[in-house]
Amino acid sequence: AQSVTQPDIHITVSEGASLELRCNYSYGATPYLFWYVQSPGQGLQLLLKYFSGDTLVQGIKGFEAEFKRSQSSFNLRKPSVHWSDAAEYFCAVAAVSGGYNKLIFGAGTRLAVHP
Amino acid sequence: DSGVTQTPKHLITATGQRVTLRCSPRSGDLSVYWYQQSLDQGLQFLIQYYNGEERAKGNILERFSAQQFPDLHSELNLSSLELGDSALYFCASSEGGHPGNTIYFGEGSWLTVV
Repeated sequence: AQSVTQPDIHITVSEGASLELRCNYSYGATPYLFWYVQSPGQGLQLLLKYFSGDTLVQGIKGFEAEFKRSQSSFNLRKPSVHWSDAAEYFCAVAAVSGGYNKLIFGAGTRLAVHP
Repeated sequence: DSGVTQTPKHLITATGQRVTLRCSPRSGDLSVYWYQQSLDQGLQFLIQYYNGEERAKGNILERFSAQQFPDLHSELNLSSLELGDSALYFCASSEGGHPGNTIYFGEGSWLTVV
């Protein structure tokens, strides 16, 4: 069965520091992978997605993610974190079956940013 | 703004009652999804519709039902509510059902059952 694991429930970084959020997936075929961000009281906003091709994908707000098939990982990175990046981040894989697709989400990583 | 509109934003109701959550997808999107977000279960897929037809069911209780109307808006009906149904319910939409289609989420409807 398809699944997504985000090993870190909470992460705290200082403003200006680099960030890496981990995501591991389990999926039999080539995965469609996504990172979403949820700010307090807000919906989910898509940061970036990977389907195929270049394994390093660029997203909005200065985020990037690297797909590593050998490690079944799709980690999210940002070189310099801003206070406004404090939010919850969700990794997801699109599970395809019978002509439909649904997103399977990880448990999320809550990011706190210290000034 | 994702373009997905959900109403109401907040709802407080008593156990045993029934509520209806409404969703207007992005213009042109044919697929509508419903998700439930709770502290203990995380983000759970409930159900998907495509152009008025049910396409997939996830962890949706029998007390819950949904439909997508000809104008593509969707409603999620929750009945015989229990305390454990308190959660944030998201509607999302996409152009089609292909996994390459980006799924856009609304801001959610907060349901509190007391």
